[in-house]
Amino acid sequence: GDSVTQMEGPVTLSEEAFLTINCTYTATGYPSLFWYVQYPGEGLQLLLKATKADDKGSNKGFEATYRKETTSFHLEKGSVQVSDSAVYFCALRASSNTGKLIFGQGTTLQVKP
Amino acid sequence: EPEVTQTPSHQVTQMGQEVILRCVPISNHLYFYWYRQILGQKVEFLVSFYNNEISEKSEIFDDQFSVERPDGSNFTLKIRSTKLEDSAMYFCASKGDGLMNTEAFFGQGTRLTVV
Repeated sequence: GDSVTQMEGPVTLSEEAFLTINCTYTATGYPSLFWYVQYPGEGLQLLLKATKADDKGSNKGFEATYRKETTSFHLEKGSVQVSDSAVYFCALRASSNTGKLIFGQGTTLQVKP
Repeated sequence: EPEVTQTPSHQVTQMGQEVILRCVPISNHLYFYWYRQILGQKVEFLVSFYNNEISEKSEIFDDQFSVERPDGSNFTLKIRSTKLEDSAMYFCASKGDGLMNTEAFFGQGTRLTVV
């Protein structure tokens, strides 16, 4: 079945460091791919998305490119801030016709000043 | 900005008791979902609901679980007889028209603790 695998955390970076969080997926058909972020004490918020191969999603300085050849959707940011500290979830919209999301296990990012 | 709201934010219940988790989806949305996140684990799909019926459910969503949209605005998840392993954060989500072209919006979650 469809699945998402994320790099294990926690990831600890200093402010202004470069961030990469790896995400790979297994799916039939052509899924849409998402990154959600969960700030402490809050719910899940959509960070960015890509709906077809080679699409690049971007928001708030974060980017991810849908790579069909490597089945990947890695999240990157050139210069992280303390306020980026959160849990990041990679997800795909499954090939079922209900729109359900399948999530990776989440990666905790801690940015230190 | 419209949002999905969930109540309560935290519920503590005794094992074997029934609980109802409540959600108010965004008003013009058509697709509704429940997910759960056991502490430290991934977010897992429970059930999707469309046109007043369940459209898909996971293996987790057994006979102890049920969903309802009683009045056209609320969307509830009922657990009939809670078990310790039901302790988790439960997220409600809703999505508008255009199954494949719109994003799901999530509520803040209800933390359920079964003691």
